[in-house]
Amino acid sequence: DIQMTQSPSTLSASIGDRVTITCRASQSISSWLAWYQQKPGKAPNLLIYKASTLESGVPSRFSGSGSGTEFTLTISSLQPDDFATYYCQQYNSFSPWTFGQGTKVEIK
Amino acid sequence: QITLKESGPTLVKPTQTLTLTCTFSGFSLTTRGVGVGWIRQPPGKALEWLALIYWDDDKRYSPSLKNRLTISKDTSKNQVVLTMTNMDPVDTATYYCAHRTTAGAMDVWGQGTTVTVSS
Repeated sequence: DIQMTQSPSTLSASIGDRVTITCRASQSISSWLAWYQQKPGKAPNLLIYKASTLESGVPSRFSGSGSGTEFTLTISSLQPDDFATYYCQQYNSFSPWTFGQGTKVEIK
Repeated sequence: QITLKESGPTLVKPTQTLTLTCTFSGFSLTTRGVGVGWIRQPPGKALEWLALIYWDDDKRYSPSLKNRLTISKDTSKNQVVLTMTNMDPVDTATYYCAHRTTAGAMDVWGQGTTVTVSS
Protein backbone atom coordinates (compact mmCIF):
# COMPACT_ATOMS: atom_id res chain seq x y z
CA ASP A 1 0.00 0.00 0.00
CA ILE A 2 1.02 3.59 -0.54
CA GLN A 3 1.06 5.46 2.75
CA MET A 4 0.25 9.17 2.85
CA THR A 5 1.68 11.27 5.67
CA GLN A 6 0.40 14.78 6.27
CA SER A 7 2.05 17.46 8.38
CA PRO A 8 1.28 19.14 10.60
CA SER A 9 -1.65 17.33 12.22
CA THR A 10 -2.94 20.61 13.62
CA LEU A 11 -2.17 24.13 12.53
CA SER A 12 -3.12 27.34 14.36
CA ALA A 13 -3.31 30.41 12.17
CA SER A 14 -4.88 33.85 11.93
CA ILE A 15 -7.04 35.44 9.28
CA GLY A 16 -4.85 36.61 6.43
CA ASP A 17 -2.02 34.16 7.17
CA ARG A 18 -0.36 32.12 4.45
CA VAL A 19 -0.83 28.47 5.32
CA THR A 20 1.03 25.45 3.92
CA ILE A 21 0.17 21.79 4.48
CA THR A 22 2.50 19.02 3.35
CA CYS A 23 1.65 15.53 2.18
CA ARG A 24 4.28 12.85 1.56
CA ALA A 25 3.74 9.58 -0.26
CA SER A 26 5.65 6.43 0.63
CA GLN A 27 6.40 5.91 -3.07
CA SER A 28 6.00 7.93 -6.22
CA ILE A 29 2.43 8.68 -7.26
CA SER A 30 3.37 11.01 -10.13
CA SER A 31 0.73 13.76 -9.86
CA TRP A 32 -2.18 11.57 -8.83
CA LEU A 33 -3.00 13.56 -5.73
CA ALA A 34 -6.12 15.36 -4.57
CA TRP A 35 -6.83 17.71 -1.68
CA TYR A 36 -10.16 17.87 0.14
CA GLN A 37 -11.61 20.23 2.71
CA GLN A 38 -14.01 18.88 5.32
CA LYS A 39 -16.08 20.79 7.83
CA PRO A 40 -17.70 19.14 10.87
CA GLY A 41 -20.71 17.02 10.00
CA LYS A 42 -20.24 17.53 6.26
CA ALA A 43 -18.90 15.47 3.38
CA PRO A 44 -15.45 16.36 2.05
CA ASN A 45 -15.22 18.93 -0.72
CA LEU A 46 -12.70 18.55 -3.58
CA LEU A 47 -10.28 21.48 -3.80
CA ILE A 48 -7.38 20.33 -5.99
CA TYR A 49 -6.77 17.35 -8.28
CA LYS A 50 -3.79 16.16 -10.29
CA ALA A 51 -1.69 17.82 -7.59
CA SER A 52 -2.17 21.37 -8.87
CA THR A 53 -5.45 21.71 -10.81
CA LEU A 54 -8.01 23.84 -9.02
CA GLU A 55 -11.49 22.34 -8.99
CA SER A 56 -14.13 24.55 -10.57
CA GLY A 57 -15.65 26.99 -8.10
CA VAL A 58 -12.82 26.76 -5.57
CA PRO A 59 -11.33 30.15 -4.59
CA SER A 60 -8.00 30.99 -6.17
CA ARG A 61 -6.36 31.47 -2.74
CA PHE A 62 -6.04 27.67 -2.72
CA SER A 63 -3.18 26.17 -4.70
CA GLY A 64 -1.40 22.84 -4.89
CA SER A 65 2.05 21.83 -5.99
CA GLY A 66 4.41 18.88 -6.09
CA SER A 67 4.91 15.60 -7.84
CA GLY A 68 6.40 12.22 -7.09
CA THR A 69 6.34 11.89 -3.32
CA GLU A 70 6.08 15.41 -1.93
CA PHE A 71 3.09 17.72 -2.24
CA THR A 72 1.84 20.92 -0.69
CA LEU A 73 -1.48 22.68 -0.31
CA THR A 74 -1.20 26.43 0.18
CA ILE A 75 -3.85 28.90 1.25
CA SER A 76 -2.47 32.30 0.32
CA SER A 77 -4.58 34.36 2.71
CA LEU A 78 -6.61 32.43 5.26
CA GLN A 79 -10.27 33.37 5.41
CA PRO A 80 -12.86 32.60 8.14
CA ASP A 81 -14.49 29.97 5.90
CA ASP A 82 -11.18 28.07 5.63
CA PHE A 83 -11.09 26.78 9.20
CA ALA A 84 -11.61 23.08 8.57
CA THR A 85 -9.77 19.78 8.23
CA TYR A 86 -7.82 19.10 5.05
CA TYR A 87 -7.02 15.69 3.60
CA CYS A 88 -4.72 14.61 0.82
CA GLN A 89 -5.54 11.48 -1.15
CA GLN A 90 -3.53 9.54 -3.69
CA TYR A 91 -5.37 7.90 -6.56
CA ASN A 92 -2.68 6.08 -8.45
CA SER A 93 -4.69 3.73 -10.66
CA PHE A 94 -2.29 0.84 -10.05
CA SER A 95 -2.65 0.94 -6.26
CA PRO A 96 -5.45 1.04 -3.74
CA TRP A 97 -6.32 4.62 -2.94
CA THR A 98 -5.34 6.09 0.42
CA PHE A 99 -5.93 9.26 2.40
CA GLY A 100 -3.62 11.18 4.66
CA GLN A 101 -4.53 11.43 8.32
CA GLY A 102 -5.77 15.00 8.00
CA THR A 103 -4.65 18.48 9.05
CA LYS A 104 -6.95 20.55 11.21
CA VAL A 105 -6.64 24.30 10.65
CA GLU A 106 -7.68 26.15 13.81
CA ILE A 107 -8.09 29.77 14.74
CA LYS A 108 -5.05 31.16 16.54
CA GLN B 1 -26.06 18.12 -11.80
CA ILE B 2 -24.49 15.08 -10.19
CA THR B 3 -25.97 13.83 -6.93
CA LEU B 4 -25.39 10.71 -4.86
CA LYS B 5 -27.23 9.42 -1.82
CA GLU B 6 -26.34 6.59 0.51
CA SER B 7 -28.95 4.36 2.09
CA GLY B 8 -28.91 1.39 4.41
CA PRO B 9 -29.37 0.38 8.02
CA THR B 10 -28.33 2.74 10.77
CA LEU B 11 -27.76 -0.06 13.27
CA VAL B 12 -26.28 -3.50 12.73
CA LYS B 13 -25.27 -6.18 15.18
CA PRO B 14 -21.76 -7.59 15.46
CA THR B 15 -21.07 -10.40 12.96
CA GLN B 16 -23.90 -9.25 10.68
CA THR B 17 -23.43 -8.21 7.06
CA LEU B 18 -23.90 -4.55 6.15
CA THR B 19 -25.41 -3.67 2.79
CA LEU B 20 -25.25 -0.06 1.65
CA THR B 21 -26.71 1.35 -1.54
CA CYS B 22 -25.53 4.45 -3.37
CA THR B 23 -28.20 5.86 -5.68
CA PHE B 24 -26.93 8.46 -8.09
CA SER B 25 -28.10 10.77 -10.84
CA GLY B 26 -26.56 13.16 -13.32
CA PHE B 27 -24.05 10.71 -14.79
CA SER B 28 -23.86 7.24 -16.24
CA LEU B 29 -21.70 4.47 -14.89
CA THR B 30 -21.26 3.28 -18.46
CA THR B 31 -19.23 6.36 -19.43
CA ARG B 32 -15.57 5.59 -19.94
CA GLY B 33 -13.40 6.70 -17.03
CA VAL B 34 -16.21 7.16 -14.53
CA GLY B 35 -16.37 5.35 -11.22
CA VAL B 36 -18.11 5.32 -7.85
CA GLY B 37 -16.18 4.89 -4.65
CA TRP B 38 -16.99 4.22 -1.00
CA ILE B 39 -15.22 5.94 1.85
CA ARG B 40 -15.88 5.82 5.57
CA GLN B 41 -15.04 7.96 8.58
CA PRO B 42 -15.22 6.72 12.17
CA PRO B 43 -16.32 9.38 14.67
CA GLY B 44 -13.53 11.93 15.15
CA LYS B 45 -11.16 10.07 12.86
CA ALA B 46 -9.74 10.34 9.36
CA LEU B 47 -11.26 9.32 6.06
CA GLU B 48 -10.66 5.74 4.99
CA TRP B 49 -11.04 4.63 1.37
CA LEU B 50 -12.89 1.31 1.05
CA ALA B 51 -13.65 0.39 -2.55
CA LEU B 52 -14.14 1.65 -6.08
CA ILE B 53 -15.98 0.34 -9.11
CA TYR B 54 -15.24 1.57 -12.61
CA TRP B 55 -17.46 1.95 -15.65
CA ASP B 56 -15.99 -1.26 -17.10
CA ASP B 57 -16.78 -3.22 -13.89
CA ASP B 58 -13.16 -3.20 -12.73
CA LYS B 59 -13.17 -3.23 -8.93
CA ARG B 60 -10.60 -2.14 -6.37
CA TYR B 61 -10.60 -2.74 -2.64
CA SER B 62 -8.75 -1.57 0.43
CA PRO B 63 -6.21 -4.34 1.12
CA SER B 64 -6.98 -4.33 4.83
CA LEU B 65 -10.70 -4.93 4.21
CA LYS B 66 -10.61 -6.79 0.93
CA ASN B 67 -11.78 -10.09 2.40
CA ARG B 68 -14.91 -8.46 3.82
CA LEU B 69 -15.97 -6.15 1.00
CA THR B 70 -17.92 -6.61 -2.20
CA ILE B 71 -18.82 -3.76 -4.54
CA SER B 72 -21.24 -4.08 -7.44
CA LYS B 73 -23.24 -1.88 -9.79
CA ASP B 74 -26.65 -1.89 -11.38
CA THR B 75 -26.46 0.57 -14.26
CA SER B 76 -30.16 0.22 -15.05
CA LYS B 77 -31.02 1.48 -11.57
CA ASN B 78 -28.11 3.92 -11.27
CA GLN B 79 -26.99 2.21 -8.09
CA VAL B 80 -23.79 0.92 -6.55
CA VAL B 81 -23.97 -1.53 -3.68
CA LEU B 82 -21.32 -2.19 -1.05
CA THR B 83 -21.51 -5.17 1.27
CA MET B 84 -19.28 -5.61 4.30
CA THR B 85 -19.34 -8.88 6.15
CA ASN B 86 -18.65 -9.72 9.79
CA MET B 87 -19.35 -6.24 11.14
CA ASP B 88 -17.61 -5.18 14.36
CA PRO B 89 -18.07 -2.16 16.64
CA VAL B 90 -14.86 -0.67 15.14
CA ASP B 91 -16.75 -0.43 11.84
CA THR B 92 -19.03 2.21 13.36
CA ALA B 93 -18.65 5.17 11.00
CA THR B 94 -20.21 7.50 8.51
CA TYR B 95 -20.12 5.86 5.11
CA TYR B 96 -19.92 7.99 1.98
CA CYS B 97 -20.16 7.23 -1.71
CA ALA B 98 -18.58 9.55 -4.25
CA HIS B 99 -18.33 10.10 -8.00
CA ARG B 100 -14.93 9.46 -9.54
CA THR B 101 -14.25 11.79 -12.46
CA THR B 102 -12.41 10.87 -15.61
CA ALA B 103 -9.55 12.94 -14.16
CA GLY B 104 -9.43 10.52 -11.24
CA ALA B 105 -10.47 12.43 -8.14
CA MET B 106 -13.81 12.32 -6.34
CA ASP B 107 -15.61 15.53 -7.15
CA VAL B 108 -19.10 14.93 -5.78
CA TRP B 109 -19.91 13.13 -2.54
CA GLY B 110 -23.11 11.91 -0.99
CA GLN B 111 -24.23 13.31 2.35
CA GLY B 112 -23.11 10.14 4.12
CA THR B 113 -24.97 7.60 6.19
CA THR B 114 -24.10 6.77 9.77
CA VAL B 115 -23.83 3.12 10.71
CA THR B 116 -23.52 1.97 14.30
CA VAL B 117 -22.42 -1.55 15.14
CA SER B 118 -23.74 -2.63 18.49
CA SER B 119 -25.51 -5.54 20.07
